[in-house]
Amino acid sequence: GAVVSQHPSRVICKSGTSVKIECRSLDFQATTMFWYRQFPKQSLMLMATSNEGSKATYEQGVEKDKFLINHASLTLSTLTVTSAHPEDSSFYICSASRIDGSGNTIYFGEGSWLTVV
Amino acid sequence: QKEVEQDPGPLSVPEGAIVSLNCTYSNSAFQYFMWYRQYSRKGPELLMYTYSSGNKEDGRFTAQVDKSSKYISLFIRDSQPSDSATYLCAMSTTSYDKVIFGPGTSLSVIP
Repeated sequence: GAVVSQHPSRVICKSGTSVKIECRSLDFQATTMFWYRQFPKQSLMLMATSNEGSKATYEQGVEKDKFLINHASLTLSTLTVTSAHPEDSSFYICSASRIDGSGNTIYFGEGSWLTVV
Repeated sequence: QKEVEQDPGPLSVPEGAIVSLNCTYSNSAFQYFMWYRQYSRKGPELLMYTYSSGNKEDGRFTAQVDKSSKYISLFIRDSQPSDSATYLCAMSTTSYDKVIFGPGTSLSVIP
């Protein structure tokens, strides 16, 4: 089946530094990927829609200069949290849209735990 | 009113019970409906994917969509302890659009 891989699965960084999270579709091409964040015991909140070869579309309230998204190829999107602060500590999850004869199915990565100290 | 509402639980049932999980929504434009299972500290796993109204069955899982009532359900038959997880309903207006998630229902199946 389709697999979406995220890396790293866990990362700890110092306040003020930047951290990059990668999302890869391993056996299919994804023109669209989505980035979510999830706080403990809460649902997934969509941060932005990443489109290959164009600028990401950010949801209301999400700072595009803080959460940089790059979708440089059909199998890779990256999320860079710039000047991270402890309140950015969260579970970040990506998903990729796979389009085939069955329609459009969205598959999720395993998520990346970010802790900012 | 939130776009997608779901009872957060927690829901606790004995092993072998039939579980009913539900979501309501407000946007009548939603046409694609999904159920995801999420284990603690893991990414969501797609369980069921349904287009428009009707029922869909896959093993012990049955998804129902009633667009007239803006209500979707997931039934789990013969529940197992391994079904203990958070179940998230999700929906979108088109097959290419962003997916909106419910808050999730925490389920515990007790042996």
